[in-house]
Amino acid sequence: DTEVTQTPKHLVMGMTNKKSLKCEQHMGHRAMYWYKQKAKKPPELMFVYSYEKLSINESVPSRFSPECPNSSLLNLHLHALQPEDSALYLCASSQDLGASSYEQYFGPGTRLTVT
Amino acid sequence: AQSVTQLGSHVSVSEGALVLLRCNYSSSVPPYLFWYVQYPNQGLQLLLKYTSAATLVKGINGFEAEFKKSETSFHLTKPSAHMSDAAEYFCAVRGPSGGYNKLIFGAGTRLAVHP
Repeated sequence: DTEVTQTPKHLVMGMTNKKSLKCEQHMGHRAMYWYKQKAKKPPELMFVYSYEKLSINESVPSRFSPECPNSSLLNLHLHALQPEDSALYLCASSQDLGASSYEQYFGPGTRLTVT
Repeated sequence: AQSVTQLGSHVSVSEGALVLLRCNYSSSVPPYLFWYVQYPNQGLQLLLKYTSAATLVKGINGFEAEFKKSETSFHLTKPSAHMSDAAEYFCAVRGPSGGYNKLIFGAGTRLAVHP
């Protein structure tokens, strides 16, 4: 099973709301990622978790807060977002962080609209 | 630092025609290269990867890519296009960047297939 699942598929939230995006994988992967993708652009890396610890934060604003409760789950907590944060949010996982050859498996994404 | 250039943001072919999507990379170390496909409103799906085992790599859905070190290229081909191949295609390189192994995407090529 090479599936990464994400919920919800679509999310509309106001600028004062708090919401969370969820990601799950059961491939035994130890590295998990959050990406943001704007229309007609490639994905941009936001956060990387390795063995449930935050390894990389690509200078993401604090209104995005990641969490890795266990090795299979990854959350992204959202608070006080701006309309320009509207995008497709993709979760991915890979076997590990170290080896360059490890491919990343992507989930279907959550389409976020901030009003 | 690693980088990827995809030549042609849009490619249009007739059904049954050869598909050629171009990707050139720059890397100071042996690269690990990937092609991903993204269908509308979906996540990214791995088509194939190059990890130095063989220069001609076969992937899913009839796609293949050839690694040419002398040309620093990793072009994606398919002998006969199907309507279902219409999608966005991303070339990516993974290697040292900012102190860890990061997946670096090209800008993407949108493939249109017409009858």
